Amino acid sequence: DVKVTQSSRYLVKRTGEKVFLECVQDMDHENMFWYRQDPGLGLRLIYFSYDVKMKEKGDIPEGYSVSREKKERFSLILESASTNQTSMYLCASTGRMDTEAFFGQGTRLTVV
Amino acid sequence: QKEVEQDPGPLSVPEGAIVSLNCTYSNSAFQYFMWYRQYSRKGPELLMYTYSSGNKEDGRFTAQVDKSSKYISLFIRDSQPSDSATYLCAMSSIQGAQKLVFGQGTRLTINP
Repeated sequence: DVKVTQSSRYLVKRTGEKVFLECVQDMDHENMFWYRQDPGLGLRLIYFSYDVKMKEKGDIPEGYSVSREKKERFSLILESASTNQTSMYLCASTGRMDTEAFFGQGTRLTVV
Repeated sequence: QKEVEQDPGPLSVPEGAIVSLNCTYSNSAFQYFMWYRQYSRKGPELLMYTYSSGNKEDGRFTAQVDKSSKYISLFIRDSQPSDSATYLCAMSSIQGAQKLVFGQGTRLTINP
């Protein structure tokens, strides 16, 4: 059974903190993605990675960075958390040419 | 105008009813179409995947794509309370998920 695991279900952080969201997949997928999901706005792509150490910006990369040191792990970093980054964050993975994305359970981040 | 439009609902129907969920889109290049189901406080899970036009059936679920009208539908027969969730359509013009575009999601409740 395919599995994408996000390290935290719920996080509360203070404004200005550096925040790390971790995602691990066990499907040997080449591609990994970070989305945020907000009411009325749907899912928006922040960054994706198509190989180890490779990354590309999505639609809303400002205020975020990513790291992929190992194939199975993709980290999202909020350099200095702000209240407008309060959201549900979803990690996903796919095989190299697959279109069907498999999602993790989500991390609900609140920045206070 | 958004590339993908989906009525956010909420939609509430009695158990056993046939449910019709729909998305319209503006990009005629879309050819990969998906439906995801997302339970409360969980990540989306892939429900149906269709390439190009036509119908696809899986148990009580049927996905339809009408590329001439730029319209996709998901039908749920004999709806159950366990079908209560948010349903998201997603589509892409290319193979691979890096250009996947999501609808807002429709929140569906099936009443016993």
